[in-house]
Amino acid sequence: DAKTTQPNSMESNEEEPVHLPCNHSTISGTDYIHWYRQLPSQGPEYVIHGLTSNVNNRMASLAIAEDRKSSTLILHRATLRDAAVYYCILRDLAGGSNYKLTFGKGTLLTVNP
Amino acid sequence: GAVVSQHPSRVICKSGTSVKIECRSLDFQATTMFWYRQFPKKSLMLMATSNEGSKATYEQGVEKDKFLINHASLTLSTLTVTSAHPEDSSFYICSARTGEGYGYTFGSGTRLTVV
Repeated sequence: DAKTTQPNSMESNEEEPVHLPCNHSTISGTDYIHWYRQLPSQGPEYVIHGLTSNVNNRMASLAIAEDRKSSTLILHRATLRDAAVYYCILRDLAGGSNYKLTFGKGTLLTVNP
Repeated sequence: GAVVSQHPSRVICKSGTSVKIECRSLDFQATTMFWYRQFPKKSLMLMATSNEGSKATYEQGVEKDKFLINHASLTLSTLTVTSAHPEDSSFYICSARTGEGYGYTFGSGTRLTVV
């Protein structure tokens, strides 16, 4: 499985943008880049995913480097409810419905009021 | 959006007893579900992949006789922790893929405490 590297922790202030980086230098052409977040004592929550182009949804934006070896999850205005562990995961499209997500350590985001 | 309902959210059981955790996909059919466990301040660890109508595939090091998985329908998968011991105390989470082009949806988790 292709691996990802994320900082262990990051800190942000409320209502400021947050850029969460992820390195995936061994990514293959069929790997989707997924982002999930987990609040304390809850199951992970889907945030966003993409393949090559930048993606936007109501929760966040995903900026993917041209060589696809890194990506950045962007929270445009952090709120206290965004404090969570954020996981960047590669999912092989060729794996089909049985493809399992492998979680790394993720980035613990702290949002200061 | 797609919802995976997981029950119970919290359970305390005595050592030696069995506990069943249910995971239901509410508005979609899940041919494949995944079961994870998570220890405090650690990441999720995949235990097994559950396929409807067939035997589950267990990750290396996971005892299949201890963690029984049944996926009898397209909307229900169960994990039974048999003869539970205190070291089985953990946070168990199920997940399903909602469809091609979409992400994976997770249950809210079950906190198991074995006393």
